[in-house]
Amino acid sequence: AQTVTQSQPEMSVQEAETVTLSCTYDTSENNYYLFWYKQPPSRQMILVIRQEAYKQQNATENRFSVNFQKAAKSFSLKISDSQLGDTAMYFCAFMNPPGANSKLTFGKGITLSVRP
Amino acid sequence: DSGVTQTPKHLITATGQRVTLRCSPRSGDLSVYWYQQSLDQGLQFLIQYYNGEERAKGNILERFSAQQFPDLHSELNLSSLELGDSALYFCASSVEGWADEQYFGPGTRLTVT
Repeated sequence: AQTVTQSQPEMSVQEAETVTLSCTYDTSENNYYLFWYKQPPSRQMILVIRQEAYKQQNATENRFSVNFQKAAKSFSLKISDSQLGDTAMYFCAFMNPPGANSKLTFGKGITLSVRP
Repeated sequence: DSGVTQTPKHLITATGQRVTLRCSPRSGDLSVYWYQQSLDQGLQFLIQYYNGEERAKGNILERFSAQQFPDLHSELNLSSLELGDSALYFCASSVEGWADEQYFGPGTRLTVT
C-alpha cells in the first residue's frame, strides 16, 4: 500500500520569505501522480500543484514550485514570496496508477503560518 | 467556488441514527469522490463513482454506502452512527478519473452526539 509522510506538523514563515514543505512517499509503482492541496481556515480543499512521475521537469505554478526527486521518493513544495493568504494546512497526496482501485492517498498535513 | 455543491453544510444527529449527505458535481464531471476528514484519521478516501458505477473503494465502513444517480449527483448514506463518525465529509468531482484534477466541495460537517 502507498503511504505519504509529512513529518513536519507545523511551520512558520515571515511574509515575503520562502518556505519549503517536505513530503516523502512510498510506492513500488513507476507511473503515478503527486499533488499538493491547500486547506485554508475556510476548510475548502484547493489544488496547488501537481506532478506527473514520468516528467523529470519540476512543476511550477506562479509562486509555488516543487522539488521532485523520484529516486528518493521525495516531493517538497516551495512557496516563494509568502503571503498572508498562504496561511493554511497543506496536504501532500499520491495518486496510484489507473486500475481497479486508483485513489488519492493523503499525508497528515502541515500547518503553515505566515507572519506579517 | 469550485462548482461542486454539498448539502447540508452542517448536520447534528444522535448515535444510532442514519443520515444522507448529498453532492452535486461540476457540470460535465463524470466522477464523484467521497472523503472523510477527522482529527484521528486525517483525510481519507472513501469511495469513487464514475458515471453511475462504483470505480474505486477506500476505507469505507460497511455501515456507509454511496450511489451516483443518472443525473450524476451522489449521495453518501451513513447508518448506525457512532461518535467516531463525527467528521468533515468532502465530495469532489473530476472530468473522468485517473489523474484528472479533483475539485472539492465545501464539505458537510457531521456531529454525532
